[in-house]
Amino acid sequence: DSGVTQTPKHLITATGQRVTLRCSPRSGDLSVYWYQQSLDQGLQFLIQYYNGEERAKGNILERFSAQQFPDLHSELNLSSLELGDSALYFCASSVGGQGLLRGGYTFGSGTRLTVV
Amino acid sequence: EDQVTQSPEALRLQEGESSSLNCSYTVSGLRGLFWYRQDPGKGPEFLFTLYSAGEEKEKERLKATLTKKESFLHITAPKPEDSATYLCAVRQGGFGNEKLTFGTGTRLTIIP
Repeated sequence: DSGVTQTPKHLITATGQRVTLRCSPRSGDLSVYWYQQSLDQGLQFLIQYYNGEERAKGNILERFSAQQFPDLHSELNLSSLELGDSALYFCASSVGGQGLLRGGYTFGSGTRLTVV
Repeated sequence: EDQVTQSPEALRLQEGESSSLNCSYTVSGLRGLFWYRQDPGKGPEFLFTLYSAGEEKEKERLKATLTKKESFLHITAPKPEDSATYLCAVRQGGFGNEKLTFGTGTRLTIIP
């Protein structure tokens, strides 16, 4: 157990639907990062939050949004789902600005999203 | 744009057969190169961080090295349990907004 908790582990939904993925960071970590991993593209950075504030954005689609709550858990919302959104979605956490100096992110076990 | 390229895409080795995985990068001012191990259906697991050319780190049968343009992950006398996908990543950004850019990985299979 890495200490980063992601729910649900699996999600099957239809095109056009909306889903919410949840992430609880490791205790003491202030930063949360969301990554998408598909077979043909590897791990793609989506978005980062630090202590409740959005800090960095990657190739995140406008149909996707995220937030980090006061208790530091984060949610990734995916709407108007398409077949191509099927992927593994990972959340990672770190202590924040100095987190990477201590050895990188800690990843959760991911949510496997299947859009049918 | 910063890029990370890993080779080979896949590698099959006999148990005990040593080899190296390559990660080449183009970044403006490297602020850390990271190696991760990922097992199927699981999240990446941190292995090493390297910061400057010439730096080396070891963990059991793995040794990571760094030059100005690439990093190598050397695997000595591998065992079947070393089978996994190995990812490298480079750090971008500054305080509070850093992120890791990953390569596509090398899928390593160790045959008993």
